[in-house]
Amino acid sequence: RKEVEQDPGPFNVPEGATVAFNCTYSNSASQSFFWYRQDCRKEPKLLMSVYSSGNEDGRFTAQLNRASQYISLLIRDSKLSDSATYLCVVFSGGYQKVTFGTGTKLQVIP
Amino acid sequence: EADIYQTPRYLVIGTGKKITLECSQTMGHDKMYWYQQDPGMELHLIHYSYGVNSTEKGDLSSESTVSRIRTEHFPLTLESARPSHTSQYLCASTGTSYGYTFGSGTRLTVV
Repeated sequence: RKEVEQDPGPFNVPEGATVAFNCTYSNSASQSFFWYRQDCRKEPKLLMSVYSSGNEDGRFTAQLNRASQYISLLIRDSKLSDSATYLCVVFSGGYQKVTFGTGTKLQVIP
Repeated sequence: EADIYQTPRYLVIGTGKKITLECSQTMGHDKMYWYQQDPGMELHLIHYSYGVNSTEKGDLSSESTVSRIRTEHFPLTLESARPSHTSQYLCASTGTSYGYTFGSGTRLTVV
């Protein structure tokens, strides 16, 4: 079993739709969690941090569920520009170990 | 404005040549990483460093080598490039607690 798992997708959704991705992690001692966005042939860029209390930034909401060991990303009112691959990133071992998920591809369709 | 720089951005080179991919960061981060990523595929960690004179191999076996003589500089070297080395190479760094910053990557093609 991979340490961090994501559904690779693709998720094909119409503009304006709400879409949610989950990412599960196996190390219960993991400390910090992030969502990154990667456009085709570009480097990953930090989208948002993930906290147990939830974190909202405009149309994006990230959530952490430590009991079930998963993080989620919710995108409301999808835009064409949201089309990208979304990577979850897990830090553990005092930030010594960083594990990337394989990414979930989102395609927003007009 | 980028705080981590990779050069060259694109490189096409012949088989057997020695190449060095440069990575520098201005954030004073101790931890630096090299990832290899093929188009549409996941990131693979090939090297990392937790500080000056510290280098480790990552999860994916690689014929490349790295050095960390200065905090801000983490170059990757291929002694003899082969077509199988064709890929995108991404450098990243992180401070004590907040996420990762990636460079723009070097897209390497070995012909």
